[in-house]
Amino acid sequence: DGGITQSPKYLFRKEGQNVTLSCEQNLNHDAMYWYRQDPGQGLRLIYYSQIVNDFQKGDIAEGYSVSREKKESFPLTVTSAQKNPTAFYLCASSIGPSTEQFFGPGTRLTVL
Amino acid sequence: AQSVTQLGSHVSVSEGALVLLRCNYSSSVPPYLFWYVQYPNQGLQLLLKYTSAATLVKGINGFEAEFKKSETSFHLTKPSAHMSDAAEYFCAVSEWTDKLIFGTGTRLQVFP
Repeated sequence: DGGITQSPKYLFRKEGQNVTLSCEQNLNHDAMYWYRQDPGQGLRLIYYSQIVNDFQKGDIAEGYSVSREKKESFPLTVTSAQKNPTAFYLCASSIGPSTEQFFGPGTRLTVL
Repeated sequence: AQSVTQLGSHVSVSEGALVLLRCNYSSSVPPYLFWYVQYPNQGLQLLLKYTSAATLVKGINGFEAEFKKSETSFHLTKPSAHMSDAAEYFCAVSEWTDKLIFGTGTRLQVFP
């Protein structure tokens, strides 16, 4: 079955530690996205990538980093510089820009 | 820049009643429009999309939406609510460049 996988489902980290969230897709999509979701705030775009080895900052990129070395993978690193990292993180992919996005199941990160 | 507004962060209906979730967009060009549904602790699932074909779009789970250019609206409706429809719903508009713009979401509650 084609789809997007995110791992792990739940992640706990101590304050000050970097943590990497995994996102993999086998839909052969060129574009991939990372969103952060907080209660009552909808989805906020962190980073996106339209093609391998290229990515752009979204609306809230500070304290986050990404890489796009392979078409199917778009990992997100939450660094210690992110002041309030506890949130639900969603990865998505699409055939191209401005087309419908397909979402993974999300990773809930809790920083203790 | 394009934007999307969802009127009402919470909507409550009785089981069997009409569901109406409102979405208005701003765009200087004909947009692509999308409705997504999100169940608790899950990713977003595409309900339906408008891509400049028929103005009345039918989606999954009995939902439909009508594109009204004169009103810049794309409201989501379902004739008869079911308990399983309780979820959060997001409207999104394409920016014709590289990403979708999401509304802040409407939480639908269905009472027996």
